[in-house]
Amino acid sequence: ETGVTQSPTHLIKTRGQQVTLRCSSQSGHNTVSWYQQALGQGPQFIFQYYREEENGRGNFPPRFSGLQFPNYSSELNVNALELDDSALYLCASSSRLPGELFFGEGSRLTVL
Amino acid sequence: AQKVTQAQTEISVVEKEDVTLDCVYETRDTTYYLFWYKQPPSGELVFLIRRNSFDEQNEISGRYSWNFQKSTSSFNFTITASQVVDSAVYFCALSEDPNQAGTALIFGKGTTLSVSS
Repeated sequence: ETGVTQSPTHLIKTRGQQVTLRCSSQSGHNTVSWYQQALGQGPQFIFQYYREEENGRGNFPPRFSGLQFPNYSSELNVNALELDDSALYLCASSSRLPGELFFGEGSRLTVL
Repeated sequence: AQKVTQAQTEISVVEKEDVTLDCVYETRDTTYYLFWYKQPPSGELVFLIRRNSFDEQNEISGRYSWNFQKSTSSFNFTITASQVVDSAVYFCALSEDPNQAGTALIFGKGTTLSVSS
């Protein structure tokens, strides 16, 4: 059984740029969630995708957007990067059982 | 508003000591779920336990045990006979009924546990 994989693992961008992060969900899981974890903080929910549609969103601006593909993999896109976007971005997949999420190791984004 | 508080930022123990990680939550929902996750240095969060608001039974799994008390809005986690491999950041999390749309978890800020040999 393949776990959740994310790419890239690390990247550096400058303010104003755009970034795309990718996630392959665990086999058999049709729901993908994205979380942002700032240094020393707990993860914060960005949004969730189920069957290629966003069906839940946290308190993040519209410049955070996403996609889910027919194979349930997902992308997180962030436009007009700001310094505060520097964080570990975690992807989690689930099979809609109550709250049991399987997380990837994350993509660490640094915005200079 | 929903909120999770983990008052202990860092805890250091020596191997074989027992350690309890505290978690206090706030919610107006009558149906909710509580979770504990472990985050080792590699970064991925590892699911440890889920408890729903109607089940106040304590649970034991090997060296891990959880004490859920609705009267004090607490969901504490105890590791018995700690080991060096238990060193990690532990997060408590809360969710309203995840069977509805969205599986948003609200995480606490985490407790960093360091176990030395």
